Amino acid sequence: QSALTQPPSASGSPGQSVTISCTGTSSDVGGYKYVSWYQHHPGKAPKLIIYEVNKRPSGVPDRFSGSKSGNTASLTVSGLQAEDEADYYCSSHAVTINAYVIFGGGTKLTVL
Amino acid sequence: QLQLQESGPGLVKPSETLSLTCTVSGGSISSSDHHWAWIRQPPGKGLEWIGSMHYTGATYYKPSLKSRVAISVDPSKNQFSLRLSAVTAADTAVYYCTRDRTSTNIDWGQGTLVTVSS
Repeated sequence: QSALTQPPSASGSPGQSVTISCTGTSSDVGGYKYVSWYQHHPGKAPKLIIYEVNKRPSGVPDRFSGSKSGNTASLTVSGLQAEDEADYYCSSHAVTINAYVIFGGGTKLTVL
Repeated sequence: QLQLQESGPGLVKPSETLSLTCTVSGGSISSSDHHWAWIRQPPGKGLEWIGSMHYTGATYYKPSLKSRVAISVDPSKNQFSLRLSAVTAADTAVYYCTRDRTSTNIDWGQGTLVTVSS
């Protein structure tokens, strides 16, 4: 069960849009709708920002959006703001012999 | 609002067992809709899911950790616990407890650092 594949880094200027990919297999991302994204500022608890591929919890700005195609999920942050600078992790429900949850390696988003 | 708080020793010796407890407030651990999970982050690395449990007793563990992990729930105290045996330096991490619904970690504790060292 290797981690889902994310680019280690991404960047954009304020106001721009950035998309972060998360690639898995048919046993995880490609096989289920339970893909989530988390924003993690160092020293704080991670925060859920997208669940079930493209749903936003209450209070999360609509600048954050999610999608999935095949075995790859994506997080798009539109209208970048300074406070969006953080680490972003995807996760997915996964099943091989048993069910479990698998995370991506994380992407450091830098707002230039 | 649901809150989770991790507690336990910050230092564990190699080969011993790491034990942490998560106290849940503002909600019941006996919710049929939720699982209770543990996730960790080693220094400088990414998040790693360890396992989860439903209050009825159903457990799910990361396959590579399954032989060393046990998660239990105590509804009478509204707490759940993690035990990780035969620890090594590679188990040094910030450990988070979370509330999980359909493999989505909705609420998180603040995390607690556990260092494995003699």
